[in-house]
Amino acid sequence: AQSVTQLDSQVPVFEEAPVELRCNYSSSVSVYLFWYVQYPNQGLQLLLKYLSGSTLVKGINGFEAEFNKSQTSFHLRKPSVHISDTAEYFCAVSDRRSQGNLIFGKGTKLSVKP
Amino acid sequence: DGGITQSPKYLFRKEGQNVTLSCEQNLNHDAMYWYRQDPGQGLRLIYYSQIVNDFQKGDIAEGYSVSREKKESFPLTVTSAQKNPTAFYLCASSIAGTSEHTQYFGPGTRLTVL
Repeated sequence: AQSVTQLDSQVPVFEEAPVELRCNYSSSVSVYLFWYVQYPNQGLQLLLKYLSGSTLVKGINGFEAEFNKSQTSFHLRKPSVHISDTAEYFCAVSDRRSQGNLIFGKGTKLSVKP
Repeated sequence: DGGITQSPKYLFRKEGQNVTLSCEQNLNHDAMYWYRQDPGQGLRLIYYSQIVNDFQKGDIAEGYSVSREKKESFPLTVTSAQKNPTAFYLCASSIAGTSEHTQYFGPGTRLTVL
């Protein structure tokens, strides 16, 4: 069965510092990987996704993620964060057998301080 | 603008009452999903539908019911059998039948039981 582990429930950083939000998954077949962002009391917005091809994926708002098959990881990174990046971030996985269903991690709350 | 709408944004329910949450999409997506979000729990799948007049239970379907009479609509009823319904409910949709598993989310409905 698939599962997703987001290793940090909360990540505090100072403005303009780099950040990495960690995500590990387990699956026995080829996967599709997603990062979503959620601002308070709002729905989820897609940041980026890996379906196939290049393992370095660039998304919106300056975020990028790298698919590492050997380490079963899909960590999200941004070289310099802004106050407006304060939000909750969710990693999700699916595969070709899942009929499009996503398995979500429990989320990481990113708090950017001035 | 294409997108997903959920109504109402806030909903209050007395114990023992059934309530229905609305979800409408104009993206021409075949698949629709309902998730429940609790603090620190991530998103948990309640029901999903890949096609009109068909739907399947997700991981936490007990106490909930759905219908899919139209492609663009997927209402969720929270019944009195759901013992702890206070949560944030998210609706999503995606293209079905392809390798594209990206789900697009509505703004959510926050349900509070009084």
